[in-house]
Amino acid sequence: DAGVIQSPRHEVTEMGQEVTLRCKPISGHNSLFWYRQTMMRGLELLIYFNNNVPIDDSGMPEDRFSAKMPNASFSTLKIQPSEPRDSAVYFCASSFTEGGYTFGSGTRLTVV
Amino acid sequence: GQQLNQSPQSMFIQEGEDVSMNCTSSSIFNTWLWYKQDPGEGPVLLIALYKAGELTSNGRLTAQFGITRKDSFLNISASIPSDVGIYFCAGQLGAGNMLTFGGGTRLMVKP
Repeated sequence: DAGVIQSPRHEVTEMGQEVTLRCKPISGHNSLFWYRQTMMRGLELLIYFNNNVPIDDSGMPEDRFSAKMPNASFSTLKIQPSEPRDSAVYFCASSFTEGGYTFGSGTRLTVV
Repeated sequence: GQQLNQSPQSMFIQEGEDVSMNCTSSSIFNTWLWYKQDPGEGPVLLIALYKAGELTSNGRLTAQFGITRKDSFLNISASIPSDVGIYFCAGQLGAGNMLTFGGGTRLMVKP
């Protein structure tokens, strides 16, 4: 089992550019979560999907953020346009109905 | 909504010392989980607790699910440099419910 796979590991982009983060959950897991981690705010849940359907996106900070899960094995988190305050580590996690989450290694985003 | 208070926020200890950290909640959880995040990586599950009063060990780690179901603690005995990282508690109300995470305890170990 390769675990939750995120790409890219690092992303540096200029303010105003579009950024797309990618996640491949563990096969068989039916829930997928996107988190943002900063020193100031810790781990923040942005959105989660259950069976590919977005259930709760109340943590998405603004309309600049959007997430999709077109199938059970792939999800994207897009920021358009990006701003310096979006700089953070973004984690994807997946789980089955019972039990804890398995996290990916994260994408460190720097917007300059 | 539910909130988890995790303490201490950070600890700086000498190698070989024991460590204790805890989480308290304003409401009950039916599952408590403890994660560790190594620098540059995502959190990894250390221990899961499913029953009030349960005490579970994993090597040098011991965690307990509080009787009131509103708290949990994690102990690390004889700390070593590789214990460095951020430890998160998380509570879950029931299967299929989301996890609520604590703010994390940043552990630093001096060799």
